[in-house]
Amino acid sequence: NAGVMQNPRHLVRRRGQEARLRCSPVKGHSHVYWYRQLPEEGLKFMVYLQKENIIDESGMPKERFSAEFPKEGPSILRIQQVVRGDSAAYFCASSAGPQRVEQFFGPGTRLTVL
Amino acid sequence: AQSVSQHNHHVILSEAASLELGCNYSYGGTVNLFWYVQYPGQHLQLLLKYFSGDPLVKGIKGFEAEFIKSKFSFNLRKPSVQWSDTAEYFCASLSGGYNKLIFGAGTRLAVHP
Repeated sequence: NAGVMQNPRHLVRRRGQEARLRCSPVKGHSHVYWYRQLPEEGLKFMVYLQKENIIDESGMPKERFSAEFPKEGPSILRIQQVVRGDSAAYFCASSAGPQRVEQFFGPGTRLTVL
Repeated sequence: AQSVSQHNHHVILSEAASLELGCNYSYGGTVNLFWYVQYPGQHLQLLLKYFSGDPLVKGIKGFEAEFIKSKFSFNLRKPSVQWSDTAEYFCASLSGGYNKLIFGAGTRLAVHP
């Protein structure tokens, strides 16, 4: 693996709480992607960000979910007022460029909502 | 909308058996196809990719895949599996806008010694 870091690896939240998932891309990569894997399903694209910009958020739920990739620091996926249906594995990937370039994946954050 | 289908959700094989995992994609334009593997407790790793050229692609760990345009397929093969190949395998296509991967549902492979 080229070094995408995600934390925490496991996160437990009660319904109504907030979840913050962090992703540090491979050093030098300025493109970050978030994917969600629901139980027994494949990964589904959520959002694509470059530094300080959201490029494509077509896979993001309209409410409660937001993402950012600030100039300094990791990318953050934020889920407000979590519900049981948010329980899933959330994967971050990074790439050096947007087109036809391999995306390197992190280990994922497994969110459990009680 | 673009989609990727993996028809085998669970596969059980004995060591030394041959493997073929099916993958079909729906996109009719330029295709960029990938196979990723996720070993238990680990992150996704790229096995191989196809952008253009020779439709038979060699990947890591003895895996290969064949792009057949007329069948919209990109099946993964390995002539002789090992216990260490036990993992989940994902086929993916890069979207037409080149900014996201479209994944199949995955195939869980269990190899018994």
